[in-house]
Amino acid sequence: DVQMTQSPSTLSASVGDRVTITCRASQSISTWLAWYQQKPGKAPKLLIYKASSLKSGVPSRFSGSGSGTEFTLTISSLQPDDFAIYYCQQYNSYLWTFGQGTKVEIK
Amino acid sequence: EVQLVESGGDLVKPGGSLRVSCAASGFTFSDAWMSWVRQAPGKGLEWVGRIKSKADIGTTDYAAPVKGRFSISRDDSKNTLYLQMNSLKSEDTAVYYCATLLGGPVHWGQGTLVTVSS
Repeated sequence: DVQMTQSPSTLSASVGDRVTITCRASQSISTWLAWYQQKPGKAPKLLIYKASSLKSGVPSRFSGSGSGTEFTLTISSLQPDDFAIYYCQQYNSYLWTFGQGTKVEIK
Repeated sequence: EVQLVESGGDLVKPGGSLRVSCAASGFTFSDAWMSWVRQAPGKGLEWVGRIKSKADIGTTDYAAPVKGRFSISRDDSKNTLYLQMNSLKSEDTAVYYCATLLGGPVHWGQGTLVTVSS
């Protein structure tokens, strides 16, 4: 199985901050990586797919980069609506695996 | 627009069985490989299993914790995906999501809650 290691587990930040979350794969997954935002009681919301493609309707302050085993999600200017948990997911293999999540909380 | 709508979640006793469904629309369901993903309360996301399209022989694969107890099937005439869960344990308590990869993005439903408790 491809293991996904996400860091940090928790991130304290202020509105307007630039925020970066990292995801590392245990083996190369090319660019088959997605980023999700999840709020309490809701389904994960897709933000980025294929490592760097922004889903239609997602604000442009979200961006993704990377390939192979190292990936990042960047929020250029944190907004109040962005406080949530973020997950990465690899779908290079049929056995999808997820990072353990990063909670972005208010500083 | 791609839509996935799960249903059938319920409270079940340990050792019991339950079938949940996922109604699909907005894409050619019969061509799609479909997956189930679950999320236990307060926990992360866990892939449960996947079924290929009939054109790809409809092969199924399962995560180790559910192998031998869960079964995924599909009815292409009804555009519906199923997850049959047997010998349920308390650790199977979770929201169950169906999902599919169409080109680049992965599409998800809103989930259905399965609670296993006496």
